[in-house]
Amino acid sequence: DAGVIQSPRHEVTEMGQEVTLRCKPISGHDYLFWYRQTMMRGLELLIYFNNNVPIDDSGMPEDRFSAKMPNASFSTLKIQPSEPRDSAVYFCASNLGQHNEQFFGPGTRLTVL
Amino acid sequence: GENVEQHPSTLSVQEGDSAVIKCTYSDSASNYFPWYKQELGKRPQLIIDIRSNVGEKKDQRIAVTLNKTAKHFSLHITETQPEDSAVYFCAASIRAGNMLTFGGGTRLMVKP
Repeated sequence: DAGVIQSPRHEVTEMGQEVTLRCKPISGHDYLFWYRQTMMRGLELLIYFNNNVPIDDSGMPEDRFSAKMPNASFSTLKIQPSEPRDSAVYFCASNLGQHNEQFFGPGTRLTVL
Repeated sequence: GENVEQHPSTLSVQEGDSAVIKCTYSDSASNYFPWYKQELGKRPQLIIDIRSNVGEKKDQRIAVTLNKTAKHFSLHITETQPEDSAVYFCAASIRAGNMLTFGGGTRLMVKP
């Protein structure tokens, strides 16, 4: 298996633009997590899904952020409109519910100018 | 919700010395405690984990201890090597497979 796949790996955009981050979890995994990592706030859980259903989105910072999981092999995190303070590394992770380890993707480094 | 505190934020040791990183958690219902290692520019990767029914777990040079009464757990790395240099994160969860709450991270530097 290729592991968790994220795209793009780097994204540079201007304030006000829409940004869409993509994630393909490991095949067969039933949990998917979106994290944001910054120097100031560390590693924060934004939202997670179980069997494509959002379970907890209390970490989503504001209405500008939205996430979807239309099927078991694909999820998106959208920011509209983007702001400079959204600049961070966004990680997607997945696991099989009855097992322990969350497997992280390589991350998307987002820079909002 | 759960709150995880991690100390120290930075730790510098000489190669061959031991390193200890400590975490406390707030939710007594938490029963799964993983540790992740993140090298510069890379993704976090699990290095060891412990469940609440176990007090200590070892894997070669790394070990984790858990004190449920005091609600704290620690990572111990013995005979440190330069390749151990990374940021280490502790985390807590109500159950394995579910959402994790991470500590703030510890940057470990092992000087040759």
